Amino acid sequence: KAGVTQTPRYLIKTRGQQVTLSCSPISGHRSVSWYQQTPGQGLQFLFEYFSETQRNKGNFPGRFSGRQFSNSRSEMNVSTLELGDSALYLCASSAAGGTTDTQYFGPGTRLTVL
Amino acid sequence: AQSVAQPEDQVNVAEGNPLTVKCTYSVSGNPYLFWYVQYPNRGLQFLLKYITGDNLVKGSYGFEAEFNKSQTSFHLKKPSALVSDSALYFCAVGVRGNTGFQKLVFGTGTRLLVSP
Repeated sequence: KAGVTQTPRYLIKTRGQQVTLSCSPISGHRSVSWYQQTPGQGLQFLFEYFSETQRNKGNFPGRFSGRQFSNSRSEMNVSTLELGDSALYLCASSAAGGTTDTQYFGPGTRLTVL
Repeated sequence: AQSVAQPEDQVNVAEGNPLTVKCTYSVSGNPYLFWYVQYPNRGLQFLLKYITGDNLVKGSYGFEAEFNKSQTSFHLKKPSALVSDSALYFCAVGVRGNTGFQKLVFGTGTRLLVSP
């Protein structure tokens, strides 16, 4: 089975721009979660989608948004980029997002904001 | 709040020696605990999880973890370390978000360095 894929792998943007990241989950998985990883804050939960609905949201400003399509693929969008948004953005998928489910992670998208 | 702590930023071990990476947790209710490993410029790879049952959990690549309820710990172990085990290790707890579904809360990570 193919793993979680994320595109693009690397992205360079300037302050004020917006960016869209894409994630394709493992086939059959319906839950997709997004995490931000930075040296200072570590790994932080952004949001989780299941059947095109956002079920969980972390403590991030409204500039961070996402969506999920009917084929479970997900995108996250960051508008009005700030320098502090530079991070590795990780997508994870699981079968149904239950508390005991295992989340499988993609390779991440490295976003650099200049 | 649900949390996990990894008290060591770095662990150094010689190849062939046993290794232990420590994790303690603080959760209300049943703890659902996970270990992940991250290699440079890569995502997180799942190693193992504890949900219920046997306190000793076996996972990928020869790793195992021991769940200890009285000490609220979930330490990762391997009997004989390899240089290729050098990586960043994360402990995590699965918690119920505000709508009842899972999000992972991660520790700060422990860098494991295995010397030849």
